[in-house]
Amino acid sequence: AQSVTQLDSHVSVSEGTPVLLRCNYSSSYSPSLFWYVQHPNKGLQLLLKYTSAATLVKGINGFEAEFKKSETSFHLTKPSAHMSDAAEYFCVVSESANDYKLSFGAGTTVTVRA
Amino acid sequence: EAGVTQFPSHSVIEKGQTVTLRCDPISGHDNLYWYRRVMGKEIKFLLHFVKESKQDESGMPNNRFLAERTGGTYSTLKVQPAELEDSGVYFCASSQPHTWNTEAFFGQGTRLTVV
Repeated sequence: AQSVTQLDSHVSVSEGTPVLLRCNYSSSYSPSLFWYVQHPNKGLQLLLKYTSAATLVKGINGFEAEFKKSETSFHLTKPSAHMSDAAEYFCVVSESANDYKLSFGAGTTVTVRA
Repeated sequence: EAGVTQFPSHSVIEKGQTVTLRCDPISGHDNLYWYRRVMGKEIKFLLHFVKESKQDESGMPNNRFLAERTGGTYSTLKVQPAELEDSGVYFCASSQPHTWNTEAFFGQGTRLTVV
Protein backbone atom coordinates (compact mmCIF):
# COMPACT_ATOMS: atom_id res chain seq x y z
CA ALA A 1 0.00 0.00 0.00
CA GLN A 2 1.11 3.53 -0.59
CA SER A 3 0.47 6.76 1.25
CA VAL A 4 1.60 10.34 1.13
CA THR A 5 1.98 12.79 4.00
CA GLN A 6 2.32 16.49 3.38
CA LEU A 7 3.73 17.87 6.58
CA ASP A 8 2.31 21.38 6.30
CA SER A 9 -1.29 22.22 5.49
CA HIS A 10 -0.42 25.88 4.97
CA VAL A 11 2.80 27.73 4.17
CA SER A 12 3.16 31.50 4.08
CA VAL A 13 6.20 33.15 2.53
CA SER A 14 7.26 36.61 1.48
CA GLU A 15 7.75 37.31 -2.20
CA GLY A 16 11.36 36.70 -3.16
CA THR A 17 12.08 34.27 -0.32
CA PRO A 18 12.52 30.48 -0.65
CA VAL A 19 9.61 28.07 -0.60
CA LEU A 20 9.82 24.60 0.96
CA LEU A 21 6.92 22.16 0.83
CA ARG A 22 7.54 18.90 2.64
CA CYS A 23 6.33 15.48 1.56
CA ASN A 24 6.96 12.01 2.93
CA TYR A 25 5.71 8.85 1.34
CA SER A 26 5.42 5.19 2.08
CA SER A 27 5.32 2.59 -0.63
CA SER A 28 5.70 -1.13 -0.97
CA TYR A 29 7.48 -0.72 -4.29
CA SER A 30 9.75 1.74 -6.02
CA PRO A 31 7.35 4.57 -6.49
CA SER A 32 6.98 7.34 -8.97
CA LEU A 33 6.38 10.65 -7.31
CA PHE A 34 4.76 13.80 -8.58
CA TRP A 35 3.97 17.30 -7.50
CA TYR A 36 0.79 18.88 -8.84
CA VAL A 37 -0.42 22.44 -8.35
CA GLN A 38 -3.93 23.82 -8.43
CA HIS A 39 -4.51 27.52 -8.86
CA PRO A 40 -7.95 28.89 -8.02
CA ASN A 41 -10.60 27.78 -10.52
CA LYS A 42 -8.04 25.85 -12.52
CA GLY A 43 -7.32 22.17 -13.05
CA LEU A 44 -4.49 20.26 -11.44
CA GLN A 45 -1.25 20.92 -13.30
CA LEU A 46 1.83 18.73 -13.18
CA LEU A 47 4.85 20.57 -11.78
CA LEU A 48 7.36 17.76 -11.94
CA LYS A 49 7.76 14.01 -11.61
CA TYR A 50 10.35 11.54 -10.38
CA THR A 51 10.54 8.19 -12.17
CA SER A 52 13.77 6.57 -10.91
CA ALA A 53 16.15 8.60 -13.02
CA ALA A 54 17.95 11.59 -11.47
CA THR A 55 17.07 12.15 -7.84
CA LEU A 56 16.96 15.93 -8.28
CA VAL A 57 14.06 16.76 -10.52
CA LYS A 58 13.50 20.14 -12.11
CA GLY A 59 10.01 21.23 -12.97
CA ILE A 60 8.18 24.18 -14.39
CA ASN A 61 8.18 27.70 -12.98
CA GLY A 62 11.50 27.27 -11.18
CA PHE A 63 10.39 24.46 -8.89
CA GLU A 64 12.50 21.44 -8.12
CA ALA A 65 12.25 18.42 -5.84
CA GLU A 66 14.74 15.95 -4.46
CA PHE A 67 13.97 12.28 -4.00
CA LYS A 68 15.63 10.89 -0.88
CA LYS A 69 14.99 7.20 -0.55
CA SER A 70 16.66 6.89 2.86
CA GLU A 71 14.33 9.54 4.24
CA THR A 72 11.32 8.54 2.08
CA SER A 73 10.95 12.21 1.24
CA PHE A 74 10.20 14.24 -1.87
CA HIS A 75 10.29 17.86 -0.78
CA LEU A 76 9.47 20.65 -3.22
CA THR A 77 11.49 23.83 -3.28
CA LYS A 78 11.78 27.10 -5.12
CA PRO A 79 14.56 29.62 -4.46
CA SER A 80 12.44 32.73 -4.81
CA ALA A 81 8.67 32.87 -4.44
CA HIS A 82 6.52 34.88 -6.79
CA MET A 83 3.03 36.15 -6.19
CA SER A 84 1.79 33.78 -8.90
CA ASP A 85 2.97 30.80 -6.83
CA ALA A 86 0.02 31.23 -4.48
CA ALA A 87 -1.91 27.99 -4.96
CA GLU A 88 -2.50 24.56 -3.47
CA TYR A 89 0.20 21.95 -4.00
CA PHE A 90 -0.23 18.20 -3.92
CA CYS A 91 2.39 15.53 -3.47
CA VAL A 92 1.32 12.39 -5.32
CA VAL A 93 2.61 8.84 -5.52
CA SER A 94 1.99 6.12 -8.03
CA GLU A 95 3.33 2.65 -7.45
CA SER A 96 4.52 0.02 -9.83
CA ALA A 97 4.36 -0.04 -13.56
CA ASN A 98 0.89 -1.53 -13.60
CA ASP A 99 -0.67 0.76 -11.06
CA TYR A 100 -2.29 3.75 -12.65
CA LYS A 101 -3.91 4.95 -9.45
CA LEU A 102 -2.55 8.14 -8.00
CA SER A 103 -2.49 8.61 -4.23
CA PHE A 104 -2.66 12.24 -3.19
CA GLY A 105 -1.41 14.01 -0.11
CA ALA A 106 -3.79 16.30 1.72
CA GLY A 107 -2.40 19.37 -0.01
CA THR A 108 -0.42 22.43 1.09
CA THR A 109 -1.82 25.89 0.53
CA VAL A 110 0.84 28.47 -0.24
CA THR A 111 0.27 32.13 0.48
CA VAL A 112 2.74 34.69 -0.86
CA ARG A 113 3.00 38.04 0.93
CA ALA A 114 4.00 41.14 -0.99
CA GLU B 1 -5.02 21.57 -28.13
CA ALA B 2 -8.00 21.60 -25.78
CA GLY B 3 -7.44 20.25 -22.30
CA VAL B 4 -9.69 18.07 -20.21
CA THR B 5 -13.05 19.77 -19.89
CA GLN B 6 -15.62 19.17 -17.20
CA PHE B 7 -19.26 20.26 -17.03
CA PRO B 8 -20.76 21.83 -15.07
CA SER B 9 -18.17 23.72 -13.05
CA HIS B 10 -20.59 23.99 -10.14
CA SER B 11 -23.78 22.16 -9.22
CA VAL B 12 -26.05 22.63 -6.25
CA ILE B 13 -28.76 20.01 -5.80
CA GLU B 14 -31.06 18.84 -3.07
CA LYS B 15 -30.60 15.58 -1.25
CA GLY B 16 -32.34 12.82 -3.15
CA GLN B 17 -31.97 14.41 -6.55
CA THR B 18 -29.90 13.13 -9.43
CA VAL B 19 -26.86 14.83 -10.88
CA THR B 20 -24.79 13.94 -13.92
CA LEU B 21 -21.25 15.18 -14.32
CA ARG B 22 -19.54 15.14 -17.67
CA CYS B 23 -15.90 14.90 -18.66
CA ASP B 24 -14.43 15.43 -22.10
CA PRO B 25 -10.89 14.06 -22.18
CA ILE B 26 -8.10 15.19 -24.43
CA SER B 27 -8.62 13.79 -27.89
CA GLY B 28 -6.77 10.52 -28.39
CA HIS B 29 -6.44 9.75 -24.70
CA ASP B 30 -7.64 6.22 -24.09
CA ASN B 31 -7.28 6.43 -20.33
CA LEU B 32 -9.85 8.37 -18.37
CA TYR B 33 -9.98 8.64 -14.60
CA TRP B 34 -12.40 10.05 -12.06
CA TYR B 35 -11.21 11.35 -8.70
CA ARG B 36 -13.05 13.05 -5.87
CA ARG B 37 -12.15 15.39 -3.06
CA VAL B 38 -14.67 15.65 -0.28
CA MET B 39 -14.40 18.48 2.24
CA GLY B 40 -11.25 18.34 4.30
CA LYS B 41 -10.06 15.09 2.77
CA GLU B 42 -7.50 13.97 0.22
CA ILE B 43 -8.24 13.58 -3.44
CA LYS B 44 -9.28 9.95 -3.90
CA PHE B 45 -9.37 7.68 -6.93
CA LEU B 46 -12.84 6.59 -8.05
CA LEU B 47 -12.40 4.66 -11.27
CA HIS B 48 -10.44 4.16 -14.47
CA PHE B 49 -11.61 3.62 -18.05
CA VAL B 50 -9.55 2.36 -20.92
CA LYS B 51 -11.53 3.43 -23.94
CA GLU B 52 -15.09 2.37 -23.13
CA SER B 53 -14.16 -0.37 -20.67
CA LYS B 54 -14.03 0.01 -16.92
CA GLN B 55 -10.63 -1.20 -15.83
CA ASP B 56 -10.98 -0.49 -12.17
CA GLU B 57 -13.92 0.91 -10.23
CA SER B 58 -12.65 -0.06 -6.81
CA GLY B 59 -12.82 3.52 -5.59
CA MET B 60 -16.51 4.03 -6.28
CA PRO B 61 -18.10 4.66 -2.88
CA ASN B 62 -21.39 2.80 -3.42
CA ASN B 63 -23.98 1.83 -6.00
CA ARG B 64 -25.49 5.31 -6.09
CA PHE B 65 -22.59 6.22 -8.38
CA LEU B 66 -22.62 5.14 -12.02
CA ALA B 67 -19.91 6.01 -14.52
CA GLU B 68 -20.16 5.47 -18.25
CA ARG B 69 -18.00 6.12 -21.25
CA THR B 70 -20.01 5.15 -24.28
CA GLY B 71 -17.96 5.09 -27.46
CA GLY B 72 -14.76 5.64 -25.56
CA THR B 73 -14.92 9.41 -25.80
CA TYR B 74 -16.54 11.54 -23.12
CA SER B 75 -17.55 10.12 -19.77
CA THR B 76 -20.41 10.78 -17.39
CA LEU B 77 -20.64 10.22 -13.67
CA LYS B 78 -24.16 10.02 -12.31
CA VAL B 79 -25.07 10.24 -8.67
CA GLN B 80 -28.57 8.95 -7.92
CA PRO B 81 -29.90 9.72 -5.39
CA ALA B 82 -27.45 12.28 -4.06
CA GLU B 83 -26.66 12.38 -0.35
CA LEU B 84 -25.11 15.17 1.72
CA GLU B 85 -21.79 13.32 1.99
CA ASP B 86 -21.44 13.33 -1.80
CA SER B 87 -20.57 17.02 -1.70
CA GLY B 88 -17.08 17.75 -2.91
CA VAL B 89 -15.03 18.40 -6.01
CA TYR B 90 -15.02 15.75 -8.72
CA PHE B 91 -11.97 15.69 -10.97
CA CYS B 92 -11.56 13.99 -14.28
CA ALA B 93 -8.18 13.20 -15.82
CA SER B 94 -7.01 11.59 -19.02
CA SER B 95 -3.76 10.19 -20.32
CA GLN B 96 -2.34 8.56 -23.39
CA PRO B 97 -2.07 4.81 -23.73
CA HIS B 98 0.84 2.64 -22.52
CA THR B 99 3.03 3.52 -19.59
CA TRP B 100 1.54 4.15 -16.19
CA ASN B 101 3.74 7.16 -15.55
CA THR B 102 2.50 8.97 -18.60
CA GLU B 103 1.30 12.31 -17.35
CA ALA B 104 -2.34 12.52 -16.39
CA PHE B 105 -3.99 15.79 -17.42
CA PHE B 106 -6.69 16.99 -15.08
CA GLY B 107 -9.77 19.06 -15.65
CA GLN B 108 -10.73 21.97 -13.45
CA GLY B 109 -13.19 19.88 -11.51
CA THR B 110 -16.92 20.02 -10.81
CA ARG B 111 -17.86 21.35 -7.40
CA LEU B 112 -20.95 19.46 -6.23
CA THR B 113 -22.93 20.73 -3.28
CA VAL B 114 -25.78 18.62 -1.93
CA VAL B 115 -28.12 20.50 0.40
